[in-house]
Amino acid sequence: QKEVEQNSGPLSVPEGAIASLNCTYSDRGSQSFFWYRQYSGKSPELIMSIYSNGDKEDGRFTAQLNKASQYVSLLIRDSQPSDSATYLCAPSSYNQGGKLIFGQGTELSVKP
Amino acid sequence: EPEVTQTPSHQVTQMGQEVILRCVPISNHLYFYWYRQILGQKVEFLVSFYNNEISEKSEIFDDQFSVERPDGSNFTLKIRSTKLEDSAMYFCASSRADPSGNTIYFGEGSWLTVV
Repeated sequence: QKEVEQNSGPLSVPEGAIASLNCTYSDRGSQSFFWYRQYSGKSPELIMSIYSNGDKEDGRFTAQLNKASQYVSLLIRDSQPSDSATYLCAPSSYNQGGKLIFGQGTELSVKP
Repeated sequence: EPEVTQTPSHQVTQMGQEVILRCVPISNHLYFYWYRQILGQKVEFLVSFYNNEISEKSEIFDDQFSVERPDGSNFTLKIRSTKLEDSAMYFCASSRADPSGNTIYFGEGSWLTVV
């Protein structure tokens, strides 16, 4: 079983729509969850972090965490063409030295 | 805004040669990391470094790899005898404190091509 699973996409949404990105993880000891955005050829850039079950909103982004289901998601409202990138889910566990375990990433394409 | 800086941005080297990738982490950060990303693949953890020693390393980080903090600002990754499969983007990263609850910030990366 892969440690972190994401649909590779591409996920294509029209401009202004909601993009929904999903991630499941296998390590039940994961305590912190991060969503990074990566443009082609660039480094990962932090979008959101979430530590507790429930929703966390930051502007157009909402992260959702369900530890019982080992599931974390990212919603992007009012998607813009500039949101087109690969979104990386990365749980972190103190038991693993806090390192980030990245998923393969979901490629998002927002069409004007 | 403080950032992690890496040099070189791109290096081409011949197989078997030694390569040193350099990083300057954010100044008040205490935890340092190297990750790599082979073209088209996921970002992979290599090593974490805290209090002047390796705190964790992956199975990728074999005897060909070493890390060093030679002074108060630089953090380096050395690959002793490069192989073709070492061709990848190498990201340096740092975090201020315990990484399980703190954001890890990434540098822009060093693209290594082994020919």
